[in-house]
Amino acid sequence: DQQVKQNSPSLSVQEGRISILNCDYTNSMFDYFLWYKKYPAEGPTFLISISSIKDKNEDGRFTVFLNKSAKHLSLHIVPSQPGDSAVYFCAASSDQTGANNLFFGTGTRLTVIP
Amino acid sequence: DAGITQSPRHKVTETGTPVTLRCHQTENHRYMYWYRQDPGHGLRLIHYSYGVKDTDKGEVSDGYSVSRSKTEDFLLTLESATSSQTSVYFCAISRQRGSGTDTQYFGPGTRLTVL
Repeated sequence: DQQVKQNSPSLSVQEGRISILNCDYTNSMFDYFLWYKKYPAEGPTFLISISSIKDKNEDGRFTVFLNKSAKHLSLHIVPSQPGDSAVYFCAASSDQTGANNLFFGTGTRLTVIP
Repeated sequence: DAGITQSPRHKVTETGTPVTLRCHQTENHRYMYWYRQDPGHGLRLIHYSYGVKDTDKGEVSDGYSVSRSKTEDFLLTLESATSSQTSVYFCAISRQRGSGTDTQYFGPGTRLTVL
C-alpha cells in the first residue's frame, strides 16, 4: 500500500521554464516531507524539505509547497536547467514511528530540454 | 557529500547463496538504514540501526538480516538469496531521529542480481 504517491512518472520541460512535480500522501500522521534528486548510478541526494507546520519552503530555485488539507505537496523549480534532469523522489516521515523512517514515492523523471 | 561507501557496487549471484552487503560511514552518525529500490515501488526500508548492536525491522525485512558491531559499519545479509531480491540496495545515515528535522544521506548503491 503506497502511502506516498507520485502519479506522473515523467515530465518534460523547456529550459528556463518552470518545472512542477507533484506528490500526494495518504497518512495524516506524516509531519515532515522531503524531496530527493537521483541521477543514474548514484544514490538519492537531498534537495529540500518542509515541516508540516509550514506551507512553503524556498531554497534558491527550488520551492516546496505543502497543502495539508489536500495531503498534497509540490516541488517548483524555476528556472529549470538541463542539469536538473534526474529522477525526483518525494518522501515523508512521521515522528510517531520508532525511527526516522522515510516513505518514498515512486519517482518522477524530469527532462529539461535545452 | 556525506562519507558513505557501499561494497560491492555490483554483484551477481545464484539463487540460494548467501550474500552480504556492506555500508561504511565516516560521519559518526548514530542512525543507519538499508533500503531497496524497485520499479513501481520507489525506495523501501529493509532494516535500520539506532546504535551499535541496536537494530529493528523496516517495511520489507523478510529474508534479510543486519548487524552493526561498529558505529561505522552496517551489514545487510541475504541468508539465501532469491530472484525477488534482485534490486538496487541503498544505505543511508542520519545524525538523529525524530522531530523530522534530520535528513538521511544516501550511499551510491549496490546493484544485486540473483539468477
